[in-house]
Amino acid sequence: AQSVTQLGSHVSVSEGALVLLRCNYSSSVPPYLFWYVQYPNQGLQLLLKYTSAATLVKGINGFEAEFKKSETSFHLTKPSAHMSDAAEYFCAVSPYGSSNTGKLIFGQGTTLQVKP
Amino acid sequence: GAGVSQSPRYKVAKRGQDVALRCDPISGHVSLFWYQQALGQGPEFLTYFQNEAQLDKSGLPSDRFFAERPEGSVSTLKIQRTQQEDSAVYLCASSPTGSGGSYTQYFGPGTRLTVL
Repeated sequence: AQSVTQLGSHVSVSEGALVLLRCNYSSSVPPYLFWYVQYPNQGLQLLLKYTSAATLVKGINGFEAEFKKSETSFHLTKPSAHMSDAAEYFCAVSPYGSSNTGKLIFGQGTTLQVKP
Repeated sequence: GAGVSQSPRYKVAKRGQDVALRCDPISGHVSLFWYQQALGQGPEFLTYFQNEAQLDKSGLPSDRFFAERPEGSVSTLKIQRTQQEDSAVYLCASSPTGSGGSYTQYFGPGTRLTVL
């Protein structure tokens, strides 16, 4: 079965510092990969997604992620953290294949804290 | 345009009561998903509709859970004889197409269910 592992349930950075949130997936065939952000009492919002085009994916709010097949990873980065980036971040996969309904398998989430 | 809406936003039920949670997807979206998010966890897939057809209900945890989408738009998730372990946020998501895992899912704000 497909699974997603997010290393670090809690990450704390200073404002202006690099943000790195880690995500690894388990699959013999590269799936579709997503990063979502969740602010308190709100639904999930898509940051970016990988759908087998470019391996470096740029998303909203200055975030980007790089798909590395050899490492089965899809880590999320942002060069300079803002206070407004404090939220819960989820990595998710959707298995590749014609029978796939598109359901998402989520990681446990990483809480990003940004310190002034 | 309007996003995915869910009602009620908060629901408190006594153990043993039945509850019904409503999801209004984005107009014209073919696919509709329900997810369950326990406290501190990532969302977990419950069920999937393509128009009015329920094509995947593999994530429903027990036969107390039932979902429907009779006219291919609004969906209702019903939980009978609620138990404390049903306490969670129930998220609804919709996407414009009927199949494939590369399409973005748009999430509603969720319904927080607390079972006392």
